[in-house]
Amino acid sequence: DQQVKQNSPSLSVQEGRISILNCDYTNSMFDYFLWYKKYPAEGPTFLISISSIKDKNEDGRFTVFLNKSAKHLSLHIVPSQPGDSAVYFCAVGGNEKLTFGTGTRLTIIP
Amino acid sequence: NAGVMQNPRHLVRRRGQEARLRCSPVKGHSHVYWYRQLPEEGLKFMVYLQKENIIDESGMPKERFSAEFPKEGPSILRIQQVVRGDSAAYFCASSPIIPPNTEAFFGQGTRLTVV
Repeated sequence: DQQVKQNSPSLSVQEGRISILNCDYTNSMFDYFLWYKKYPAEGPTFLISISSIKDKNEDGRFTVFLNKSAKHLSLHIVPSQPGDSAVYFCAVGGNEKLTFGTGTRLTIIP
Repeated sequence: NAGVMQNPRHLVRRRGQEARLRCSPVKGHSHVYWYRQLPEEGLKFMVYLQKENIIDESGMPKERFSAEFPKEGPSILRIQQVVRGDSAAYFCASSPIIPPNTEAFFGQGTRLTVV
């Protein structure tokens, strides 16, 4: 019973274009949403978050969108850079722990 | 300003041995979480601890696995009688207060290999 799903295991995007990563969740009680980035052999690092009272949060090249009615979260990266190549995990919170998706491997093509 | 420190980074154990994974949270953080990442899978919650208390261990296998976060010292994840299926990356995270009010900071992980 997967509460958080990232349906695209991988994504390739040309450098300079927009990368869009998607995440769906099932429980409407979740009220805090985060994106983490992970390089090989390293721990996840926090990227950006949004609370359920908002539908958009922007930080530089990164924007997170939240559609509560659709229970859908997305991360936009624009413009995409080679250093953005990593695995991206969405995470949701609403109780005392974060529940993670399975990750999307983003590859930026120079 | 040290982040979450995990050691060892790599651990090799033979089947049947014990594995001890250590996690020192960010200074001042009193909430610790352990996650496991199996090959080609996402991060799976195992256990959430506060100082001297296990708050939520719903993700922890019922047998062979235990965790503690003593008043002094690091948090320890202990796996007894390891089997090949325990091979994974184990990540510890800490936060100053309960999410969702703040993000959790992760360590670099311990990669356990059972041979």
